Amino acid sequence: DIQMTQSPPSLSASLGDKVTITCQASQNINKYIAWYQQKPGKAPGLLIHYTSTLVSGIPSRFSGSGSGRDYSFSISNVESEDIASYYCLQYDNSRTFGGGTKLELK
Amino acid sequence: AVQLVESGGGLVQPKESLKISCAASGFTFSNAAMYWVRQAPGKGLEWVARIRTKPNNYATYYADSVKGRFTISRDDSKSMVYLQMDNLKTEDTAMYYCTAGGSTTGPFAYWGQGTLVTVSS
Repeated sequence: DIQMTQSPPSLSASLGDKVTITCQASQNINKYIAWYQQKPGKAPGLLIHYTSTLVSGIPSRFSGSGSGRDYSFSISNVESEDIASYYCLQYDNSRTFGGGTKLELK
Repeated sequence: AVQLVESGGGLVQPKESLKISCAASGFTFSNAAMYWVRQAPGKGLEWVARIRTKPNNYATYYADSVKGRFTISRDDSKSMVYLQMDNLKTEDTAMYYCTAGGSTTGPFAYWGQGTLVTVSS
């Protein structure tokens, strides 16, 4: 089974900051990684798939990159509505989520 | 619009069984693989089960943590997907989400609101 190591587990940012979350797979996942946002009490929502494809309606301040085993997700110019938890998902072989990153305001 | 509505959660004792359901609408259900994902209180997301479509022989797949205890099924005539959970353990306590997605929309593009399963004596 593929393991996904997501870091950091938590992140503190000021409004307008750029933040970056990383996920490392235990093997090459051929860019089949997606990123989700989850706010308290709500179901997760898909933001990005296939490494860098932004879902329709998602602001361009969200972006993703990477290849092989190493991937990153960034939010430029953090806004108050971005305060949430974020998860990566590999879907190259079965499905595995990363452990999650909680983004908080500094 | 795509809608997924889960139901059937509740409080059960360890070793008991429970079947939860998901009603789908707004897309061609019979063409879509369907999934269950769960989230224990205060914890992260865990993929639980997958069922493919009729052309793929309704093949099923499970996380190791539930293999042999949980069974995913679907009824294309009713646009429903189910999760039969047997021999429940306290660690199965979680919000269970029904999800769907595809190659164009992305994986797990659509989610229900979830149904809470609590396993406790």
